[in-house]
Amino acid sequence: QQQVKQSPQSLIVQKGGISIINCAYENTAFDYFPWYQQFPGKGPALLIAIRPDVSEKKEGRFTISFNKSAKQFSLHIMDSQPGDSATYFCAASRDTGNQFYFGTGTSLTVIP
Amino acid sequence: NAGVTQTPKFRVLKTGQSMTLLCAQDMNHEYMYWYRQDPGMGLRLIHYSVGEGTTAKGEVPDGYNVSRLKKQNFLLGLESAAPSQTSVYFCASSYGRRGTQYFGPGTRLLVL
Repeated sequence: QQQVKQSPQSLIVQKGGISIINCAYENTAFDYFPWYQQFPGKGPALLIAIRPDVSEKKEGRFTISFNKSAKQFSLHIMDSQPGDSATYFCAASRDTGNQFYFGTGTSLTVIP
Repeated sequence: NAGVTQTPKFRVLKTGQSMTLLCAQDMNHEYMYWYRQDPGMGLRLIHYSVGEGTTAKGEVPDGYNVSRLKKQNFLLGLESAAPSQTSVYFCASSYGRRGTQYFGPGTRLLVL
């Protein structure tokens, strides 16, 4: 049973466009939500993370939007670039837990 | 610093054979994790360790064993490999329970 549901599975965006990836969860005990970026042949790397005490966090072209009541959070990539082409994973963890639960991943392709 | 390294990078096994995957980190991290990554399934936690000499089960522990005899090393063992264990295996480490996870480059395992 997937603790974190991620969509879409794949996404194609034109250069300069906005990429949006969505995640949803059921466990209200989750209180930390990171996003990881993975390039082909590499391990995932932390991109940006958010806690539910804020509704939005921005780092450069990357923004996380968080909707606590809907139990949803999303990653927005503004001005998408070909170099952003990668697989993106959302994740969640509980304050009292030792593990992260990952979404199934979104393969993003930014075409020039 | 090398970060997180994994050995080997690629391996082919026959059904029933055994092998050990080695993960090493030079960041003095307490927490270490083993994940498997399969298409459409995302990253799933196999086992993890919160410190030297400790291990715990994750989401998909069956068919795997682990050991953490030294703080910097985390070993993943397959006693009797099965085709269902064909996957890409990632090791990760973090400073604390909620710290950023740093991933290794992965080990691609094919079980025939």
